[in-house]
Amino acid sequence: GAGVSQSPSNKVTEKGKDVELRCDPISGHTALYWYRQRLGQGLEFLIYFQGNSAPDKSGLPSDRFSAERTGESVSTLTIQRTQQEDSAVYLCASSSRASGGYSYEQYFGPGTRLTVT
Amino acid sequence: GDSVTQMEGPVTLSEEAFLTINCTYTATGYPSLFWYVQYPGEGLQLLLKATKADDKGSNKGFEATYRKETTSFHLEKGSVQVSDSAVYFCALILDSNYQLIWGAGTKLIIKP
Repeated sequence: GAGVSQSPSNKVTEKGKDVELRCDPISGHTALYWYRQRLGQGLEFLIYFQGNSAPDKSGLPSDRFSAERTGESVSTLTIQRTQQEDSAVYLCASSSRASGGYSYEQYFGPGTRLTVT
Repeated sequence: GDSVTQMEGPVTLSEEAFLTINCTYTATGYPSLFWYVQYPGEGLQLLLKATKADDKGSNKGFEATYRKETTSFHLEKGSVQVSDSAVYFCALILDSNYQLIWGAGTKLIIKP
């Protein structure tokens, strides 16, 4: 079936503007993750959704960042009043819960490259 | 806290050379360990994994053995190809959690 998709693939915005990034997870995957990857660095966890449970927002770097997910489908990551340090690739991943516990394999989307000028 | 450390890149090798990319971890509890690969212009893909001590993960000629005594999960391949050029990430997840903890990534460049 289709993999994780993200849109847009590239976004250039001016400092101070708001941006919205979209993630479509694999159908049936209950868990959804957002990560940030700065140039030359590893992945930085932002937020985690699991089914209808309250999301884990512990990785969000500031209150300018927020994310929503409707049920077990699409998620949007919103960055308000963007700053130059927000420039990065934003990655979304989804995974399914295996019988008896978590399935740890996360499937990643291609990412959205955000450039704040 | 829990962390993953992997060797800095870039690592540059000639085709058919032997590859080792070192990865060590610090974790409370019993993590599962992963190698992910990011080919140029593509998304992250799971390369291999090991869920308990002494397990060996393998895929596409790559191998890594979960060594609890040395808290390591080094990635190896006997004969690399140009097509193996990519960024490789080591990561762990704890049984009690759902967050992957990532190393910084190692860029591998294979020259023909």
